[in-house]
Amino acid sequence: GQSLEQPSEVTAVEGAIVQINCTYQTSGFYGLSWYQQHDGGAPTFLSYNALDGLEETGRFSSFLSRSDSYGYLLLQELQMKDSASYFCAVRDGKAAGNKLTFGGGTRVLVKP
Amino acid sequence: DADVTQTPRNRITKTGKRIMLECSQTKGHDRMYWYRQDPGLGLRLIYYSFDVKDINKGEISDGYSVSRQAQAKFSLSLESAIPNQTALYFCATSDRGSRQGQDTQYFGPGTRLTVL
Repeated sequence: GQSLEQPSEVTAVEGAIVQINCTYQTSGFYGLSWYQQHDGGAPTFLSYNALDGLEETGRFSSFLSRSDSYGYLLLQELQMKDSASYFCAVRDGKAAGNKLTFGGGTRVLVKP
Repeated sequence: DADVTQTPRNRITKTGKRIMLECSQTKGHDRMYWYRQDPGLGLRLIYYSFDVKDINKGEISDGYSVSRQAQAKFSLSLESAIPNQTALYFCATSDRGSRQGQDTQYFGPGTRLTVL
């Protein structure tokens, strides 16, 4: 089966940098995705890594190491609006249903 | 207009009642999903469908059933609701993906269901 581990909560101040780690176990692996969800809202897609390395999208970056079954989401220059939950998700292979499995989510609280 | 819509947005029902949650999309995607979200447990997959004739169970399908009435419509039913099915339910869609297996999912606004 598939399982993902990420911290449950992180607190930081405006302007700081936060790194959210995600380790995964999966029977097949296509890539690691990250989603953001504000309280009361729907999850929205942030980034996707299929290959090792860092992908940068504005203030957010995502990293993947396939050999270590590990990735992280880096939030830079934190703003109050970044307070939200962040989920990592892996897509497994056809043999396992070719579907996404989500981690339990990391709640990020940004303080002034 | 929203690309993925869910009805109702909120529903309170009693134990033993049958209830249907509906999802419609205008994105033209083949793939549709139903997830359940409970505090601290993330999103758990209930059922998914890769096209109109394809229905698959997710990790927590017991007590639920689905119907894919058309490419754009995917409904979730609780045959006999019980209190531990109280949760936030999300519908999502995705395209086949083109970038190295990417399968970006687009979520509806959610349905908050309370079973008394």
